[in-house]
Amino acid sequence: GAGVSQSPSNKVTEKGKDVELRCDPISGHTALYWYRQRLGQGLEFLIYFQGNSAPDKSGLPSDRFSAERTGESVSTLTIQRTQQEDSAVYLCASSLDEVVKTQYFGPGTRLLVL
Amino acid sequence: GENVEQHPSTLSVQEGDSAVIKCTYSDSASNYFPWYKQELGKGPQLIIDIRSNVGEKKDQRIAVTLNKTAKHFSLHITETQPEDSAVYFCAASKNTGFQKLVFGTGTRLLVSP
Repeated sequence: GAGVSQSPSNKVTEKGKDVELRCDPISGHTALYWYRQRLGQGLEFLIYFQGNSAPDKSGLPSDRFSAERTGESVSTLTIQRTQQEDSAVYLCASSLDEVVKTQYFGPGTRLLVL
Repeated sequence: GENVEQHPSTLSVQEGDSAVIKCTYSDSASNYFPWYKQELGKGPQLIIDIRSNVGEKKDQRIAVTLNKTAKHFSLHITETQPEDSAVYFCAASKNTGFQKLVFGTGTRLLVSP
């Protein structure tokens, strides 16, 4: 079946602009996660959704970062007033629910802020 | 909070050799330990995971061992092949309700023909 998809695959933007990154989880997966991966680094947790609610936003690095999820499906990660340090790969993952831990990752969005 | 350390950062082996990657964790309450493989330009893919009620799990050429007392777990790849070349990440989390996965910093494995 279809896996997790993300769009765009690549995004180049100018410092100060806003960007929206989209994630389509596996159908039926109620849990959705966003991670950031800087070049050559590990995965940094950003936010978790269970259904449409976000019980854990502890990883969002600043108030410029926000995320929402609608219809227990698509999620959007928004970065306002982008900075060069926001350049990274943003990965989305989904799992059947919060109890079944297996997370399936999408291919990521590579964001470059000039 | 949980902290996961992973070693080595890079590992080069000859095709057919074994490769071992080790991780340590800090939170004794962690009890779920997955391993992910990330190929260039792709998202991480789960290759094996282990829960704390077992000490070892095998899947063909891949095995994971867990030592709860010492708080470390290891990935073992036998008969390595060039297509095993990738970055491997370990992770740890608790298994009650939502507990985020905390990832190690990754190991770049290079298998030379």
